Amino acid sequence: ETGVTQTPRHLVMGMTNKKSLKCEQHLGHNAMYWYKQSAKKPLELMFVYSLEERVENNSVPSRFSPECPNSSHLFLHLHTLQPEDSALYLCASSPKLHTEAFFGQGTRLTVV
Amino acid sequence: KNQVEQSPQSLIILEGKNCTLQCNYTVSPFSNLRWYKQDTGRGPVSLTIMTFSENTKSNGRYTATLDADTKQSSLHITASQLSDSASYICVVSALDPGTASKLTFGTGTRLQVTL
Repeated sequence: ETGVTQTPRHLVMGMTNKKSLKCEQHLGHNAMYWYKQSAKKPLELMFVYSLEERVENNSVPSRFSPECPNSSHLFLHLHTLQPEDSALYLCASSPKLHTEAFFGQGTRLTVV
Repeated sequence: KNQVEQSPQSLIILEGKNCTLQCNYTVSPFSNLRWYKQDTGRGPVSLTIMTFSENTKSNGRYTATLDADTKQSSLHITASQLSDSASYICVVSALDPGTASKLTFGTGTRLQVTL
């Protein structure tokens, strides 16, 4: 285990549903990230938080809404998603911003 | 534009054989390069990290090399095992003046080790 835990591991949701992905790290890291991994594409950085403050938002649609209530927890709130949003969503943390990242197991999201 | 290209896209080898995966990058200014292993349905796990001054680094049966002049890296796997079947992702970090380093990910090489 990497010390980064994501729940749920699998999620199937309709386009009108609202759901949330959760990430928790027990490593004492200051930075946390959300990535999207689609088939045959590089990991795409979605959001970056440093000390609970959002520092990057890489042109992600507003139907994805992150929340970082404290340095150990990160959420990704989902609403009115599209089928093309189906992917593996990975959470990661690192000691400092953009240093070596430790990834969670990911949430496999399917939008139907 | 910073880019990381990996080859081959996929590879099948027999158990016990060696293989080498390639990573070419155009990231600048270069900070470091990492290789990650990602098992199916799981998050990536770091194998090695190399800075500008390092030419080679080993982690068990995994040996990474770096040529900063030609901007190429390779990951050599010795005496492959079935458990080596995974995707191997090359990640290059660029120094971003004024903020922090930026990461550029390759698409990965899918390795399958068979009996």
